[in-house]
Amino acid sequence: EVQLVESGGGLVQPGGSLRLSCAAPGFTPGIYAMSWVRQAPGKGLEWVSVISGSGASTYYADSVKGRFTISRDNSKNTVYLEMNSLRGEDTAVYYCAKGSSGSFLHYWYFDLWGRGTLVTVSS
Amino acid sequence: QSVLTQPPSVSAAPGQKVTISCSGSSSNIGNNYVSWYQQLPGTAPKLLIYENNKRPSGIPDRFSGSKSATSATLGITGLQTGDEADYYCGTWDSSLSAGVFGGGTKLTVL
Repeated sequence: EVQLVESGGGLVQPGGSLRLSCAAPGFTPGIYAMSWVRQAPGKGLEWVSVISGSGASTYYADSVKGRFTISRDNSKNTVYLEMNSLRGEDTAVYYCAKGSSGSFLHYWYFDLWGRGTLVTVSS
Repeated sequence: QSVLTQPPSVSAAPGQKVTISCSGSSSNIGNNYVSWYQQLPGTAPKLLIYENNKRPSGIPDRFSGSKSATSATLGITGLQTGDEADYYCGTWDSSLSAGVFGGGTKLTVL
């Protein structure tokens, strides 16, 4: 069964850093765009970042631009989210989500989600 | 304040039909495909509709999607208690160069 598995969440102090990983075994690497989507406690979904299948294109929500970096290693079928200068408002469950291939910005959807990893930013 | 606007809540009786609206603009819904997600309590979201009106394998035809200009609608017929969940619309916003979601709609099956 194809699945996504996130890891790397935890408790971090304000101003600190974390790196999330999303392992994606079971489907061909380098084809599908991958996104991170987060959900603060009791709140709705917030898209965070996307990376194209090749890794050549990346986009970020304004709320994380300049602080978060998305990357991928297709040889390991893994996507990463490097999070720096963390703030209290970054506290959320972070989901890895698989997007489409090709014109992924136009054909925008997430057809596979991980279970999420909780990031808590607090002193 | 979400870029896409959804009603906070809707409700209907078992067996009835409900629709959930998602309103946007020409930079998002007007020029890109819309998708819909169901999030049951304590679980990750699940794709219900993609490319405005297509259902992934395994999603029953009780769920339908449509789009007109800068708005989209999710329809659910034959409501079941198991449909109680939060529902989100999503798309790409070409002006913001960002993915956007609606604020979510909580469905209650009375």
